This record gives sequence, structure tokens and C-alpha cells, in this order.
Amino acid sequence: DAGVTQSPTHLIKTRGQHVTLRCSPISGHKSVSWYQQVLGQGPQFIFQYYEKEERGRGNFPDRFSARQFPNYSSELNVNALLLGDSALYLCASTLLGGNSPLHFGNGTRLTVT
Amino acid sequence: AQRVTQPEKLLSVFKGAPVELKCNYSYSGSPELFWYVQYSRQRLQLLLRHISRESIKGFTADLNKGETSFHLKKPFAQEEDSAMYYCALSGRIGTASKLTFGTGTRLQVTL
Repeated sequence: DAGVTQSPTHLIKTRGQHVTLRCSPISGHKSVSWYQQVLGQGPQFIFQYYEKEERGRGNFPDRFSARQFPNYSSELNVNALLLGDSALYLCASTLLGGNSPLHFGNGTRLTVT
Repeated sequence: AQRVTQPEKLLSVFKGAPVELKCNYSYSGSPELFWYVQYSRQRLQLLLRHISRESIKGFTADLNKGETSFHLKKPFAQEEDSAMYYCALSGRIGTASKLTFGTGTRLQVTL
């Protein structure tokens, strides 16, 4: 089935560089959320976008930014990468936002060296 | 502040034995809780949510507001239940709805 797709699947970057991660939601879903999952931890909320507007932001520095496009796809950008940004970045979509169940992608594994 | 605690990193049971994965939460409002599961090499997916009050793959979870718990239970474990299980609590930040996840419990079902 055409679930949430994320690209790339893996990425290796150097400290100080910038990275862009991409997400395509399930067709018809208008809300996209981003989560960071550090090894050994549960996913942690970064952003939610609905109808191309940021609805909320978790406890992440301004180096993290995102946007949602008219087709509801989304990009997560991280500037000035730190070693601690190494994690699995998960994108999830829902039909309307709110408490609708999240449908997750497979994630992008980012390694910062 | 919202918090979800899953005290066990690993739970190992024999096939056919009962399973209970523990989850405790801290939340000032009326909680909405979920269990998500991740099977090997698959994406994180919803297993069940408390408002549905349904049984999925033989699993049930009851919200106990007095004990602030939402433990996941299954009477007879199967090999295919082996996976990573995350308890999650829904909350608001701005106008966004966010999930706060626990650290997860790996369930290992052995013969």
C-alpha cells in the first residue's frame, strides 16, 4: 500500500553541515508530524504541520526547521549539525491532525560524524 | 508535564504464557493513551487506543486513572508477538497534537 514514504533511508553527514529530510504523507492526509528517535529511546515530537502551517513545536533548538508544501509533503531541515543529532527521524501523517492515529514512515537514519 | 514510563526494557516469556507490558503516565488533563508496536524490519504502527476499547491480535489495555496506568495484556503469548512495544500519551502543544512516548519494551516470546 502507499504508506508514508521518507527519503533518504540513510544519511551520513559531518558536524556543522546541513541536512534536508523529505516525507510524503498518505494520499489525502493533510497533517504531517516529525519525530526524532535516539537509540534506546522512544520517538520525541519535533513539529506538527497541518494545511501547510506549523501547529506546534517540541523542545528542539532553532536549528531544526520544517515546512509543508501544497501537496502536503514535508521537509525537515537541520542546520549546523551536532553529533547529538544522530538519530532516526520519523515522519507521520494523519488525515485531520488532532488525536487521529499517526501513520509512520520507515524513517531516515541520520549519522553525524 | 506529560510523561510516560515503561519500566521494563526487555520482557521475555514462553509461548502460551500470559503477557503484561507495563505503562504508567503522568498527565494533568484527561489522558488519551495508545500502544504502538514495531515488528522486526517494519514501521511503527498503532496497535490499539484506549478510547476504542477493542482487542487487537488478542491484546487489550485498560486505562486505570487511579493508578495512572495503561498496561497491555495478552492471555497467551505467540511467537509473532515478539516486537518492540511503545506506550504513548496524546497531548497538546500550541494547536498541535503530539504523542509522548515511553522508552519502549522489547517483548521476546520463546518456545
